[in-house]
Amino acid sequence: AQSVSQHNHHVILSEAASLELGCNYSYGGTVNLFWYVQYPGQHLQLLLKYFSGDPLVKGIQGFEAEFIKSKFSFNLRKPSVQWSDTAEYFCAVNARTGRRALTFGSGTRLQVQP
Amino acid sequence: NAGVTQTPKFQVLKTGQSMTLQCAQDMNHNSMYWYRQDPGMGLRLIYYSASEGTTDKGEVPNGYNVSRLNKREFSLRLESAAPSQTSVYFCASSEGQGFNEQYFGPGTRLTVT
Repeated sequence: AQSVSQHNHHVILSEAASLELGCNYSYGGTVNLFWYVQYPGQHLQLLLKYFSGDPLVKGIQGFEAEFIKSKFSFNLRKPSVQWSDTAEYFCAVNARTGRRALTFGSGTRLQVQP
Repeated sequence: NAGVTQTPKFQVLKTGQSMTLQCAQDMNHNSMYWYRQDPGMGLRLIYYSASEGTTDKGEVPNGYNVSRLNKREFSLRLESAAPSQTSVYFCASSEGQGFNEQYFGPGTRLTVT
């Protein structure tokens, strides 16, 4: 069964600091990869996705992620965070065979201090 | 275009009571899902439906039943609620047969006492 690991559970940054959140998955086949964001009290929204092609994916609000197949990783980055980026971030994986649903990581809570 | 809607937003149940969580989507999506979100555990799949008339178990199906009433609606039923089912429940939908991005509803916060 596929699984997703997010090693950073709680990250605290100051505004303008750079962000990198780790995501590793365990599945040897072809995958679709996603990052979702959940702002306080809100539902999950898609930040970015990778299906194929250029492994560097750009999403909304200045976020990007890099798919490194050899490392089974899909880390999320942002060069300069803002207070409004305070949220919980979830990495998710969907294997292109088998169960037709997402497997989520446990999430990373990001707190940006002004 | 409302996207994915869920009712109710909040619910408190006593142990042993039953209830149904409702979900509807207006995006003409084939696939629909129910997840539960618990602190430190991310979202875990309860049931999903890849098309109208089909449902399949996810990671944590025990204690739940689902009905794909039509293409728009996918309900989740707790027959006899237990405190372990205290959670936030999210419904989601996606195009095609389930490999695309999912769109989430606002969630239902359920407390079982």
